[in-house]
Amino acid sequence: DAGVTQSPTHLIKTRGQQVTLRCSPKSGHDTVSWYQQALGQGPQFIFQYYEEEERQRGNFPDRFSGHQFPNYSSELNVNALLLGDSALYLCASSSRLAEILSSGANVLTFGAGSRLTVL
Amino acid sequence: LAKTTQPISMDSYEGQEVNITCSHNNIATNDYITWYQQFPSQGPRFIIQGYKTKVTNEVASLFIPADRKSSTLSLPRVSLSDTAVYYCLVGYSGGYQKVTFGTGTKLQVIP
Repeated sequence: DAGVTQSPTHLIKTRGQQVTLRCSPKSGHDTVSWYQQALGQGPQFIFQYYEEEERQRGNFPDRFSGHQFPNYSSELNVNALLLGDSALYLCASSSRLAEILSSGANVLTFGAGSRLTVL
Repeated sequence: LAKTTQPISMDSYEGQEVNITCSHNNIATNDYITWYQQFPSQGPRFIIQGYKTKVTNEVASLFIPADRKSSTLSLPRVSLSDTAVYYCLVGYSGGYQKVTFGTGTKLQVIP
């Protein structure tokens, strides 16, 4: 049973460029969340997608956008990259049905992340 | 989501039991307590989740007092491979809640 897969694992961009990161959720999961983790910090919530719509958003500018496809996979796009966007970007998946059946307890399955370096 | 407070770091010798306490004074009635483990350059991994009293699985135990304002993750007989950052999260996921991580507790296991 494949877990959450992310691509690419590493990438280097320059300021002002745009980047797209991809995520395939764990089999049976239908909800995808994206996190940004700077060095030495905890993961920061960017946004969550369910049924191809953004359902929740953290405190990130509009340069960060996303998409969820009918097969539940997701993309994170970051435009006009800044040096401060250098971080590990994590994708996490979960199951809405499992949440409902467990009365709201949610368990996230994370991928290994995409390490973005902006020069 | 309820704010959590954890120690920034802890050291332990191999073979000892480690207890990491998390404070969450304004936990809501519907909130669950979940702990994740993260190794460098990897995504966090679910360890254990509970609502009240005690929960135990194959890797850890979670103790939650009656007032639920704190919780303690207990790792029995730690090994070097348990060196990681441990995050305590409090929240209810129904209705598309945000899941927010704090800075976590960096556990260093010493040989």
